[in-house]
Amino acid sequence: DQQVKQNSPSLSVQEGRISILNCDYTNSMFDYFLWYKKYPAEGPTFLISISSIKDKNEDGRFTVFLNKSAKHLSLHIVPSQPGDSAVYFCAASESASGTYKYIFGTGTRLKVLA
Amino acid sequence: DGGITQSPKYLFRKEGQNVTLSCEQNLNHDAMYWYRQDPGQGLRLIYYSQIVNDFQKGDIAEGYSVSREKKESFPLTVTSAQKNPTAFYLCASSYREFNQPQHFGDGTRLSIL
Repeated sequence: DQQVKQNSPSLSVQEGRISILNCDYTNSMFDYFLWYKKYPAEGPTFLISISSIKDKNEDGRFTVFLNKSAKHLSLHIVPSQPGDSAVYFCAASESASGTYKYIFGTGTRLKVLA
Repeated sequence: DGGITQSPKYLFRKEGQNVTLSCEQNLNHDAMYWYRQDPGQGLRLIYYSQIVNDFQKGDIAEGYSVSREKKESFPLTVTSAQKNPTAFYLCASSYREFNQPQHFGDGTRLSIL
C-alpha cells in the first residue's frame, strides 16, 4: 500500500517556465514533508521541506505548497532551468511514530527543455 | 567536508555469495538508514538504526543483514537469501530529531553475474 504517491512518472517543461511536481499521501498523521532531487548514479539531495503547521515554504526558485485537507503537496520551480532536469522524490514522516523514518514516493522525472 | 561515503560504487556478485556494502558518515548523525531503489519503485527502506548497537527492520529486510558497532558506520550485507539483489543501494543518515532531513551517499549499484 503506497502511502506516498507521485502519479506522474515524468514531466517536460520549457526552460524559463514553471515546473509543478505533485505528491499525494494517504496517512493523515504525516506532519513533515521533504522534496529531494536526484541525478542518475548519485544520491538524492535535499531541496526543501514543509511542516504541517504551514501551507507554503519558499527557498529561492523552489516553493512547496501543502494542502492538508486534500492530503496533497506540490513543488513549484520558477523559472525552470536545464540543470533542474532530474528525478524528484517527495517524502513524508510522522512524528507520532516515534521513529525518524520517511516514506518516499516513486519519483517524477523532470526534463527541462532548452 | 562532512558527508556520507558509500563503497564500492559498483559491485558484482556471483550467485550464492554474500556481499557487504560499506557506509561511513562523519556528520555526527545518530540515525542511519539503508534503502533500495528499483526502477519505478522509489526508495524502499531495508534497515535503519537510531543508535549504536541497535537497528530495526524496514519494509524489505528479508535477505539482508546489518550491524551498527560504531556511530560512523552502518554496513549492509546482502545475503544469498536475497533472491533479487540487483538494485541501486542508498545509505542515509540524520540527526535523531524530528523534522530533520536525511542526507544520502552516492549509492552502490549491485549486479549479479
